[in-house]
Amino acid sequence: QVQLVESGGGVVQPGGSLRLSCAASGFTFSSYGMHWVRQAPGKGLEWVAFIRYDGSNKYYADSVKGRFTISRDNSKNTLYLQMNSLRAEDTAVYYCAKDALWFGELSFFDYWGQGTLVTVSS
Amino acid sequence: EIVMTQSPATLSVSPGERATLSCRASQSVSSNLAWYQQKPGQAPRLLIYGASTRATGIPARFSGSGSGTEFTLTISSLQSEDFAVYYCQQYNNWPQVTFGQGTRLEIK
Repeated sequence: QVQLVESGGGVVQPGGSLRLSCAASGFTFSSYGMHWVRQAPGKGLEWVAFIRYDGSNKYYADSVKGRFTISRDNSKNTLYLQMNSLRAEDTAVYYCAKDALWFGELSFFDYWGQGTLVTVSS
Repeated sequence: EIVMTQSPATLSVSPGERATLSCRASQSVSSNLAWYQQKPGQAPRLLIYGASTRATGIPARFSGSGSGTEFTLTISSLQSEDFAVYYCQQYNNWPQVTFGQGTRLEIK
């Protein structure tokens, strides 16, 4: 069965950096695009970033463009999110999510991890 | 950016009754719309994609309809496990996919 397990969350000061990881199993990781989606405490869902199955295309929400970098290592079945210049408004649970399309571009999310909490606070 | 607006914000329904949730897009998204269910402390779960196709393992009491700018999620006979928050998401105007703000379905 598909499993997505996030790690790397924690408390960081404003302006700091953090790197999230998502270990994937139960499917052919190198055949699917992957996303990061976040949810601030008590709020709704916000799409953050997408990376194509081969890493050739990456897309970002305007709110994180220039500060966050999505990447993947298909040899390790792992997705990453490098977060720099963190702000209080980046505080959220960060979910990794699998795109539904096989060898496709961005669409909807058919599997989600359980999330990792990032808190930006001094 | 396409804005997705869900209504109502909160819906109170009794178990066994029908629930109808709405999602409106600020411009046409064709049938590129998905619905998710999220329970407290859990990750979202995919219910519907392509506006009307149930995801694997989703009970038949969940159905989706609509196209263009108006969409509906219907739960035909509410079970206790269905009380949750529901989100719609458009994936027509990628890469800027967007979610609605959610509808909380609560027990009446």
